[in-house]
Amino acid sequence: GAVVSQHPSWVICKSGTSVKIECRSLDFQATTMFWYRQFPKQSLMLMATSNEGSKATYEQGVEKDKFLINHASLTLSTLTVTSAHPEDSSFYICSALTGQTLEQYFGPGTRLTVT
Amino acid sequence: KQEVTQIPAALSVPEGENLVLNCSFTDSAIYNLQWFRQDPGKGLTSLLLIQSSQREQTSGRLNASLDKSSGRSTLYIAASQPGDSATYLCAVNGNNRLAFGKGNQVVVIP
Repeated sequence: GAVVSQHPSWVICKSGTSVKIECRSLDFQATTMFWYRQFPKQSLMLMATSNEGSKATYEQGVEKDKFLINHASLTLSTLTVTSAHPEDSSFYICSALTGQTLEQYFGPGTRLTVT
Repeated sequence: KQEVTQIPAALSVPEGENLVLNCSFTDSAIYNLQWFRQDPGKGLTSLLLIQSSQREQTSGRLNASLDKSSGRSTLYIAASQPGDSATYLCAVNGNNRLAFGKGNQVVVIP
């Protein structure tokens, strides 16, 4: 089956610093990837849609200058949380879309803690 | 905007009982519907994908049905086991954007 990896699996950073999270499709090409965040006891909320070679599409209420998304290749998308604050602490999950069945395969997630 | 509701939010059942998890959605214009499993602190594991043209999908002890016109899907887990304890998420795909429910948190008691 399709495999999606994320790196790092967890990260702790100080307030004001930036953190980059990578999402890779390991055995298939994904022209479209998605970034979600999940707060404790809550469901996943879509942050943005990342398309290879073009600008990401952000959901309403998500600051594009704070959450920078780059989809430079068909197997890699990155999310950079800039000037992180404690309220950005969350579980960030990416997914990659397969073309044939329109099924999304999810990465294992990245736990971000901002101190 | 698609709204996805999962009922019940949490349930506990003794080992061996069948599980019935419900998902409802407000907009029937969907591409497909997926059921996922999420263990605490972990990512999502895809269980079943039902295309909008299908009525049900089966995998082992799992069976998911879809009634698009009424905006409902049901996940059945037969003969539950303690290893089935997890949160089950329903996600509706409309225009390649997934809308998630809050999940059914399941505990199977040995």
